[in-house]
Amino acid sequence: GENVEQHPSTLSVQEGDSAVIKCTYSDSASNYFPWYKQELGKGPQLIIDIRSNVGEKKDQRIAVTLNKTAKHFSLHITETQPEDSAVYFCAASIGTNAGKSTFGDGTTLTVKP
Amino acid sequence: DADVTQTPRNRITKTGKRIMLECSQTKGHDRMYWYRQDPGLGLRLIYYSFDVKDINKGEISDGYSVSRQAQAKFSLSLESAIPNQTALYFCATSDRGRGRVGEQFFGPGTRLTVL
Repeated sequence: GENVEQHPSTLSVQEGDSAVIKCTYSDSASNYFPWYKQELGKGPQLIIDIRSNVGEKKDQRIAVTLNKTAKHFSLHITETQPEDSAVYFCAASIGTNAGKSTFGDGTTLTVKP
Repeated sequence: DADVTQTPRNRITKTGKRIMLECSQTKGHDRMYWYRQDPGLGLRLIYYSFDVKDINKGEISDGYSVSRQAQAKFSLSLESAIPNQTALYFCATSDRGRGRVGEQFFGPGTRLTVL
């Protein structure tokens, strides 16, 4: 089955700096790659996603890049703010409806004011 | 997400007890999932259901069972709880093909402690 590896497991940055989280996947058939943010005491919530037919997607301060050849994708957060502090999960899915996702182990991001 | 609710939110139980965690959703989604979250291990899929008559095992189904009572309800049972089932459990839903395809909507979680 699919295997997703996520790095780093913890990341600490100063407010205003950029943060990058990287994931690799094993199954070349995966074609949907979402990123979820989990705040303390809450369930994960989708922040951005990308499909295999595009290489990059941006939404305000967050962006995701995908390299299908190398089977890796990354989350980029610019101008970080304290409210960006959370656990971030990447995931990979097969199928246009992404019925079943395999998640990475998560990255705990801390933004220091 | 308030559209996906889980009960109870917290539960402490003893080894050997039967436990049921319940999930309800008002999003009208066909697909429902149960995940387990342990520190440093991310989210691992226990069971998933693509409609009322469809139940599938995930990567860690041993020791768990599920029931899809209706489109909106998906319950997870631990027939005989053991301490290593202590974890945070999440229910999630997703749309079959309408709207934003692929996104999963998570409930607030149930923290289960087995003594």
